Amino acid sequence: SQKIEQNSEALNIQEGKTATLTCNYTNYSPAYLQWYRQDPGRGPVFLLLIRENEKEKRKERLKVTFDTTLKQSLFHITASQPADSATYLCALPTSGSARQLTFGSGTQLTVLP
Amino acid sequence: DTGVSQDPRHKITKRGQNVTFRCDPISEHNRLYWYRQTLGQGPEFLTYFQNEAQLEKSRLLSNRFSAERPKGSFSTLEIQRTEQGDSAMYLCASSSGTGTGAYGYTFGSGTRLTVV
Repeated sequence: SQKIEQNSEALNIQEGKTATLTCNYTNYSPAYLQWYRQDPGRGPVFLLLIRENEKEKRKERLKVTFDTTLKQSLFHITASQPADSATYLCALPTSGSARQLTFGSGTQLTVLP
Repeated sequence: DTGVSQDPRHKITKRGQNVTFRCDPISEHNRLYWYRQTLGQGPEFLTYFQNEAQLEKSRLLSNRFSAERPKGSFSTLEIQRTEQGDSAMYLCASSSGTGTGAYGYTFGSGTRLTVV
C-alpha cells in the first residue's frame, strides 16, 4: 500500500542556514505533491504544490523538488529564521481516490538563533 | 472572508456522550474535508464533500461518525457514543476547484476533543 516517510528525527539548524527536509514515498506514482506548515495547536497551512512534470518550484525562500524516479521530494528553506520553526508535512493524493490527501507524519524543524 | 472557522476549539466529554463539531469553510470553496490528527502524526482523512454531496468516506470511519453539509455551506461532524480512542484534533479544510484539478487546502484551527 501507499507509504510516505519524512525525516524521522527532528531537525535543528542554525539561523541563516538552509534547511532541507525529505519526503519519500513508495508503491505509488502521484500526479502531484504538496507541502504544508503546521504550528502547535493550529491547522496546517498550505505552502506549495508541485506536479509530476515539474522538477522544481520556488516561492520566496522556499524551494521544492520532485524526483519521480527516486520517488522523493526535497523541501528547502534558504536563509532560515527562528520564525520558520514548525512542523512541515508533505501530502500526496491518495491512490484510488479523487480527492483525498495522504499526509506524512511531518518533520519538526527548529531554527536556532 | 476570514478563512475556515471551526467551533468549538476545545471539547471535553465523558465517554459514551455524543458530540457535534461545526465547520464554516471559505464561502467560495465548493469542496470540504474532515481530517483527524493525533499527536505526532499527520492528518488522517475522514470524509469529503463536494457542495452538499458526501462523495468519499474513509473505510476506517466507524458508523458512530456522521457528517453533513446541508445546502453546501457549513458542515457538521457528529460522533456518537464517544470512546477514549476518539480523542484527537478534528480538522476541517476547504478548497476550490473543479474536475480533477489539484488545489491546496485551507485548514481551520481544528477542534481538540478529549474523551474522559
